[in-house]
Amino acid sequence: DAGVIQSPRHEVTEMGQEVTLRCKPISGHNSLFWYRQTMMRGLELLIYFNNNVPIDDSGMPEDRFSAKMPNASFSTLKIQPSEPRDSAVYFCASSFGTVNNANTGELFFGEGSRLTVL
Amino acid sequence: AQSVAQPEDQVKVAEGNPLTVKCTYSVSGNPYLFWYVQYPNRGLQFLLKYITGDNLVKGSYGFEAEFNKSQTSFHLKKPSALVSDSALYFCAVRDIGISGGYNKLIFGAGTRLAVHP
Repeated sequence: DAGVIQSPRHEVTEMGQEVTLRCKPISGHNSLFWYRQTMMRGLELLIYFNNNVPIDDSGMPEDRFSAKMPNASFSTLKIQPSEPRDSAVYFCASSFGTVNNANTGELFFGEGSRLTVL
Repeated sequence: AQSVAQPEDQVKVAEGNPLTVKCTYSVSGNPYLFWYVQYPNRGLQFLLKYITGDNLVKGSYGFEAEFNKSQTSFHLKKPSALVSDSALYFCAVRDIGISGGYNKLIFGAGTRLAVHP
C-alpha cells in the first residue's frame, strides 16, 4: 500500500502565480480531506469530499482557493492567484467512512506539500 | 460545536520517565476521540482512538490514553519515554454534526513533546 501520495513535496512560487497541489488517496477510501498547517493557525480543515462530492468547503479561506475531485483516485487544490500568506504545508488525507457511522476509521495523511509564496 | 483543547504547548520529560500529554474535549453526545503524532517534515500518523468501551485505550508505539467522562479529558500517556518519541502530538475529535461516516476530525493546537536523554 503506497499510502496517500501528494505532489509536489515542495513548491516555491512568486506572488500572483497559480499553484496546483495534487493528491492521490488510498485506493478504496471514499473520503478525502485537505488541511493546511501553519505555525500561527495550526491545522485547519479546508475542504472535504465524500464519494468525490464536496461536503463542506467552509474552511476554504477565500475565492482564490478551489478544490476538485474528478474521480476517486485524484484531487487537486488550486490557489489562484497565490499570496505570501498562503505559505504553509498543505496536507491531504483519506479515510473510509460509511453512512451508518459504523466505521470510525482514522485518517491517513500524505507527507504534505510545503508551499512558499515569495 | 465539537472541540478539543491541548493546554500545553510543550512537554519536556527525561528518557525513561512516564509522560502525559493532556487533552480536554467539548462535544454534544458521545465523543469519538483520537491521538495523532507528527514527526518533523512528515504527515500525521494515527496513534489510537476511543469510540466506546474500556476507558483505557492502547495504541501504537506503547502509547495509551485514558478517557475520563467526568473530567472531559483524554490524556495521552506512556510509562517510559524514549528520545524517539519527541514529536508533535495532536488530539482530535470527530465532528458528528453531519450524519454519515465522513470522519471529519477537528484537531487541537498540538503539543510538542521533547524527551531528553
